[in-house]
Amino acid sequence: AQRVTQPEKLLSVFKGAPVELKCNYSYSGSPELFWYVQYSRQRLQLLLRHISRESIKGFTADLNKGETSFHLKKPFAQEEDSAMYYCALSGGDYKLSFGAGTTVTVRA
Amino acid sequence: DAGITQSPRYKITETGRQVTLMCHQTWSHSYMFWYRQDLGHGLRLIYYSAAADITDKGEVPDGYVVSRSKTENFPLTLESATRSQTSVYFCATSRGGLGYGYNFGSGTRLTVV
Repeated sequence: AQRVTQPEKLLSVFKGAPVELKCNYSYSGSPELFWYVQYSRQRLQLLLRHISRESIKGFTADLNKGETSFHLKKPFAQEEDSAMYYCALSGGDYKLSFGAGTTVTVRA
Repeated sequence: DAGITQSPRYKITETGRQVTLMCHQTWSHSYMFWYRQDLGHGLRLIYYSAAADITDKGEVPDGYVVSRSKTENFPLTLESATRSQTSVYFCATSRGGLGYGYNFGSGTRLTVV
């Protein structure tokens, strides 16, 4: 069974401060991991996928297989980063399992 | 770009009624999915389809029916709506393959009264 845990439901940071969203997973094989973002009243958008090791909008995420984590980080939060963030895992069967989501609020 | 279109955007229905949510894609992606989004639960998979005429249950399929006679359409039917099915429903597509994520529709906000 595959499972994704996002321990923080809400995260509030000040503009310019670092932000880190935690994601832990359980899966016996080699997972594909993703971060999705949902801005207010918009559709979910793919933010990052670990396989491409890219940085989007200043966000990065590193897969730590030892700790089974895929935390999302940004060194300097911006107000436009306020959104709901979902961590997701694919076990190779093209089905995505999502975490419960973390709502990020960036204060001016 | 239309890509993936869900209709209706908003729907209010009464308990016990049948309601169908539509999902249409223009990419010809093989995989299509239906999720429901609820506070505290994130997104939960209802049904998915790997190709036309191939569907399978997800995590929370009870009370829902799907069909996929054509690659581009994947309707979701609530056979007899209940209040617990009040939710936001998202359709998604994927071309499959390692590392490819999903493309999501705009969602349908369904309220069962």
